[in-house]
Amino acid sequence: AQKVTQAQTEISVVEKEDVTLDCVYETRDTTYYLFWYKQPPSGELVFLIRRNSFDEQNEISGRYSWNFQKSTSSFNFTITASQVVDSAVYFCALSQGGGATNKLIFGTGTLLAVQP
Amino acid sequence: DGGITQSPKYLFRKEGQNVTLSCEQNLNHDAMYWYRQDPGQGLRLIYYSQIVNDFQKGDIAEGYSVSREKKESFPLTVTSAQKNPTAFYLCASRGRRTGANVLTFGAGSRLTVL
Repeated sequence: AQKVTQAQTEISVVEKEDVTLDCVYETRDTTYYLFWYKQPPSGELVFLIRRNSFDEQNEISGRYSWNFQKSTSSFNFTITASQVVDSAVYFCALSQGGGATNKLIFGTGTLLAVQP
Repeated sequence: DGGITQSPKYLFRKEGQNVTLSCEQNLNHDAMYWYRQDPGQGLRLIYYSQIVNDFQKGDIAEGYSVSREKKESFPLTVTSAQKNPTAFYLCASRGRRTGANVLTFGAGSRLTVL
């Protein structure tokens, strides 16, 4: 069975602190994709990143970085020098292969509150 | 600007009433999805459609119905058979050229049953 676990329900940090959001996944598939989405207070989910199972290279985009480790089935997300605008719910998700029939399995989300 | 429009943003319903949530996209995307979000449970798939006049049940389809008569539109009806309909509902779409399962989401509709 496929499963995504985000053990951190809520995280509160002070602006400029670094913060890491954890994501652990379970799948028996050899080909799969991992995602992070951001849900600001407005409600709509915003795509942040997609990683396929064959690409373990870490990625950095501005203040955002992602650490994909197949050995521990983890795909963690780090925000460096957090800002108030980073306050949102962050979802990690998993899908098997591609195509519209391949469902996204979402974690339960981590609420990040960045205090000024 | 291209995107997904969901309406209404807030909706109140009495028990026993059906209600329809609208989802319209102008992205020319083929696939459309409905998710339900509950506190502490993440997003769960209700229905999805890959093409006009075709749709499939997701993980929690009971008590819901959909139609896909036009490419741009994928309305969701929450029927009286849905035992616990109070939730936040999100519509999403995906185009052929979009990467595997990268979805574009609407801003959601919050349904409250009184």
